[in-house]
Amino acid sequence: GESVGLHLPTLSVQEGDNSIINCAYSNSASDYFIWYKQESGKGPQFIIDIRSNMDKRQGQRVTVLLNKTVKHLSLQIAATQPGDSAVYFCAEQKGGSYIPTFGRGTSLIVHP
Amino acid sequence: KAGVTQTPRYLIKTRGQQVTLSCSPISGHRSVSWYQQTPGQGLQFLFEYFSETQRNKGNFPGRFSGRQFSNSRSEMNVSTLELGDSALYLCASSLGQGGQPQHFGDGTRLSIL
Repeated sequence: GESVGLHLPTLSVQEGDNSIINCAYSNSASDYFIWYKQESGKGPQFIIDIRSNMDKRQGQRVTVLLNKTVKHLSLQIAATQPGDSAVYFCAEQKGGSYIPTFGRGTSLIVHP
Repeated sequence: KAGVTQTPRYLIKTRGQQVTLSCSPISGHRSVSWYQQTPGQGLQFLFEYFSETQRNKGNFPGRFSGRQFSNSRSEMNVSTLELGDSALYLCASSLGQGGQPQHFGDGTRLSIL
């Protein structure tokens, strides 16, 4: 995966706003993408995934968008809550591989 | 369904010692992967076991080793510990087929003095 520096990209939002977290992936052969949320002191938690034959997938309050043309992935969180504060990681997986490659995380801070 | 369980949660060791970390995967999951997470390097893949065999390996020295038992539980061993081995070690399990997400435990925080 990519290296994550000491200072993660940070997104600060107000409670109730919609949040958009972006991720650029590197391998055009990747066909499976996953978003994880990692809260302080915990392991990454699976949020939502999408396969390359789709460009949008919705979950509860979350939507993932995939743009294969520019190799871009985004996670949209609706009505962001303080409990959404965490580091969010995207991961890509190449067809035939069992191991995801993790991108650098983004720290989401939600202000009450 | 119980999640991935890692033990112990915290460990303090000194340089030169060795350590063994344990991971119990989600019931029915046959693949177990290990990662090292540090602030400077992010999530780095160590190795993956599937049906007691190492199926994938990352770029870590031979001091890092692992194994998987017939019940899919896995252990990771680090010998001759160095200060730079201080990290959060995460275990993740999955069904082991492509296109399936890994599910992580809360990790073992290893501190080397």
